[in-house]
Amino acid sequence: QSALTQPASVSGSPGQSITISCTGTSSDVGGYNYVSWYQQHPGKAPKLMIYDVSNRPSGVSNRFSGSKSGNTASLTISGLQAEDEADYYCSSYRSSSTLVFGGGTKLTVL
Amino acid sequence: QLQLQESGPGLVKPSETLSLTCTVSGGSISSSSYYWGWIRQPPGKGLEWIGSIYYGGSTYYKPSLKSRVTISVDTSKNQFSLKLSSVTAADTAVYYCARHDLGAAAGGWLFDYWGQGTLVTVSS
Repeated sequence: QSALTQPASVSGSPGQSITISCTGTSSDVGGYNYVSWYQQHPGKAPKLMIYDVSNRPSGVSNRFSGSKSGNTASLTISGLQAEDEADYYCSSYRSSSTLVFGGGTKLTVL
Repeated sequence: QLQLQESGPGLVKPSETLSLTCTVSGGSISSSSYYWGWIRQPPGKGLEWIGSIYYGGSTYYKPSLKSRVTISVDTSKNQFSLKLSSVTAADTAVYYCARHDLGAAAGGWLFDYWGQGTLVTVSS
């Protein structure tokens, strides 16, 4: 059961925008709108940032947005801030009632 | 505010069974809208969903772990538990419990509340 594919790392300067991709198949990302994104700071539990492809939970900054095209979902962070430096994971429902995570992307704010 | 707390041994011997419990406070595990899940993260690696359970006992498991995993629920204690049998060093990880929304509440197949995680090391 292979994980979703994310870039290992991305970086950006404060104020800039970055996008993290999450590529799956028609059995997961492409077939369902159940894609979520999590932020994880070192030593901390993951925090839900986006669900159902593009919805933000209450309290999450509107600088975070999500989208999907075909088998690839994307997380965009605009107006980068130092506090955004963290690991980011996507997840998706996969057919036959299972869930799969991406391998994670380390975001560095330069 | 909903809180989840993992508990259990931090060291397990190879071939033995790993057992963890998650205690839920600030809300009822018997909510009709949610499942309750276990996720693990090997040191320096990514997240892996293990499985989830409904208060009524219905379960979903990751297929590759299904033969070794049992998740159970105790509504009287507001707890759910994980048992992973025949462990090896590859099962060394931080284990998280979390509330799992399958789509009955805010969205689908998401984890919105997490415990702080507990490190379980498999070693003799």
